[in-house]
Amino acid sequence: ELKVEQNPLFLSMQEGKNYTIYCNYSTTSDRLYWYRQDPGKSLESLFVLLSNGAVKQEGRLMASLDTKARLSTLHITAAVHDLSATYFCAGNSNFGNEKLTFGTGTRLTIIP
Amino acid sequence: EPEVTQTPSHQVTQMGQEVILRCVPISNHLYFYWYRQILGQKVEFLVSFYNNEISEKSEIFDDQFSVERPDGSNFTLKIRSTKLEDSAMYFCASGRWGQGPDTQYFGPGTRLTVL
Repeated sequence: ELKVEQNPLFLSMQEGKNYTIYCNYSTTSDRLYWYRQDPGKSLESLFVLLSNGAVKQEGRLMASLDTKARLSTLHITAAVHDLSATYFCAGNSNFGNEKLTFGTGTRLTIIP
Repeated sequence: EPEVTQTPSHQVTQMGQEVILRCVPISNHLYFYWYRQILGQKVEFLVSFYNNEISEKSEIFDDQFSVERPDGSNFTLKIRSTKLEDSAMYFCASGRWGQGPDTQYFGPGTRLTVL
């Protein structure tokens, strides 16, 4: 059964700094997803990574996937306050059904 | 832009009562899901639904839970006899699949409080 782990669980960083959130998964995952959740809100899709070496960027966020290492990263460049949220990665181990298994989430707080 | 909608946004019920949570998935999507998130915890899969039947369910989804697609637009989750531990945010999601890279689109959620 697919297990997904994220670290760190909590992250406080200053505006303007760079940091990386790590997502490890236990077995083969066809795709790797990143979602953002603001407090009390729903999950907003950020990235879908399909293959080894995939890299996607949107603004100050960049996600990558290494299927051999079973690792995905979400890199934050020059953080701004608006990026404060909880970030979840998720994998799916059963292509065609697409049940998502979520990580524990990383609560990111950007400090001015 | 099409979105998944859910009603109600907040439901308060007494333990042992039945609740029905409603969702309207994105119209051209074929796969439907329910997830839940207990406060401060990760999102957990409950059930997936395709072609008018359950395709997979988790251990959480026991006999007290059921899903239905009563018409062409709605997708419901019923909890027959609620327990205190059912208190959570319930998210509906939908997806297309088979049409290129895609993701699951989540609704705004229903916060269920069982007293």
